[in-house]
Amino acid sequence: AQTVTQSQPEMSVQEAETVTLSCTYDTSENNYYLFWYKQPPSRQMILVIRQEAYKQQNATENRFSVNFQKAAKSFSLKISDSQLGDTAMYFCAFMKLTMDSGGSNYKLTFGKGTLLTVNP
Amino acid sequence: DTGVSQDPRHKITKRGQNVTFRCDPISEHNRLYWYRQTLGQGPEFLTYFQNEAQLEKSRLLSDRFSAERPKGSFSTLEIQRTEQGDSAMYLCASASTSAGYGYTFGSGTRLTVV
Repeated sequence: AQTVTQSQPEMSVQEAETVTLSCTYDTSENNYYLFWYKQPPSRQMILVIRQEAYKQQNATENRFSVNFQKAAKSFSLKISDSQLGDTAMYFCAFMKLTMDSGGSNYKLTFGKGTLLTVNP
Repeated sequence: DTGVSQDPRHKITKRGQNVTFRCDPISEHNRLYWYRQTLGQGPEFLTYFQNEAQLEKSRLLSDRFSAERPKGSFSTLEIQRTEQGDSAMYLCASASTSAGYGYTFGSGTRLTVV
């Protein structure tokens, strides 16, 4: 079974500064995806960024980038130029792409989340 | 495309009562998922449908829980004889096989069992 660990329950950052959220995972799989999801207060969960395990290049989406270290099973999220609207719970998630039968249900295994507060 | 809709947004029920939640996925998505999120935790997988077939159920889904997706469209999640431990946010998400791995989540149904 896969596990995802987010060791920072809460973090805060000043507006316009940079913050890094940590995530480690444990798996024996070789073929998988990693995700960061954002859940603003009382709002739905939205995808921030996705990383395919077979890609060595780190994914980037505007102000969001990841540092994917496959051997270390580490997947951190860097938010640059933090904005007040970035205040949210951030979840790291793992998706296995293969099953013994050869198919996949693409289900997600989430960490416990990091509550990020951006201060003005 | 109005996204994934969940109804109701909030439900307060007395212990022992039955409750039913509804999820309307994005119309062209053939995969539908239910997750449960308790306070301070990340979402946990409950069950998964591909079209109308329920292909996997978590051990978290006790006999009191049942999910359906008739005709591969909307889905319902029913909890019978609710217990206080069932209090949680129930999240629905849909995805398309052709789109690979991207989920669209609904806003969730928050259940409080008193």
